[in-house]
Amino acid sequence: SAVISQKPSRDICQRGTSLTIQCQVDSQVTMMFWYRQQPGQSLTLIATANQGSEATYESGFVIDKFPISRPNLTFSTLTVSNMSPEDSSIYLCSVALAGGGRMGQETQYFGPGTRLLVL
Amino acid sequence: DAKTTQPNSMESNEEEPVHLPCNHSTISGTDYIHWYRQLPSQGPEYVIHGLTSNVNNRMASLAIAEDRKSSTLILHRATLRDAAVYYCILRDGGSNYKLTFGKGTLLTVNP
Repeated sequence: SAVISQKPSRDICQRGTSLTIQCQVDSQVTMMFWYRQQPGQSLTLIATANQGSEATYESGFVIDKFPISRPNLTFSTLTVSNMSPEDSSIYLCSVALAGGGRMGQETQYFGPGTRLLVL
Repeated sequence: DAKTTQPNSMESNEEEPVHLPCNHSTISGTDYIHWYRQLPSQGPEYVIHGLTSNVNNRMASLAIAEDRKSSTLILHRATLRDAAVYYCILRDGGSNYKLTFGKGTLLTVNP
């Protein structure tokens, strides 16, 4: 299993500013992800945080808006840049741990989320 | 990842069994069926997964139809703590670990 912590747990920010969210894992993991959960909605994958290379972004998400760092195998940051009220969401990081040696069986562990409100 | 269909909501009474259905008629031979749940104000947590055979763990059981086009998550004795949104997700054995979340089923447990 993996224990994931996120900082901050919540924040209220003004539009036009940026917020950096930290994700710390208690063990070294290869696959780390960032998700967004808008109010009352399901989770949407923002990007895969790759160690040593640029993050892989999903359709609709761009690096200029959501820059991601992954300096090592236990830590990542997501920055929400030039925020607007539409960015008010819960941001979650997760890691995938392999299971059974076969692709498709891995388990993902999620952090508690960062609750962001943009005024 | 292939698409799944779940009821928007279900209701159960405490200490009774709960059967949460999931349809995945376009499932491919390499897709694993995963279930996650999200308790209020928390991140999702893994519940169970399977490929073809029924699976049991300490949290739940997973019953998979013979044609694999549907599955059922079974909570044997619901507790108030089981109130959550339950997500049924298909994971392609050949893809890159991504999870695609649908809307899930909101389970309400009545005392």
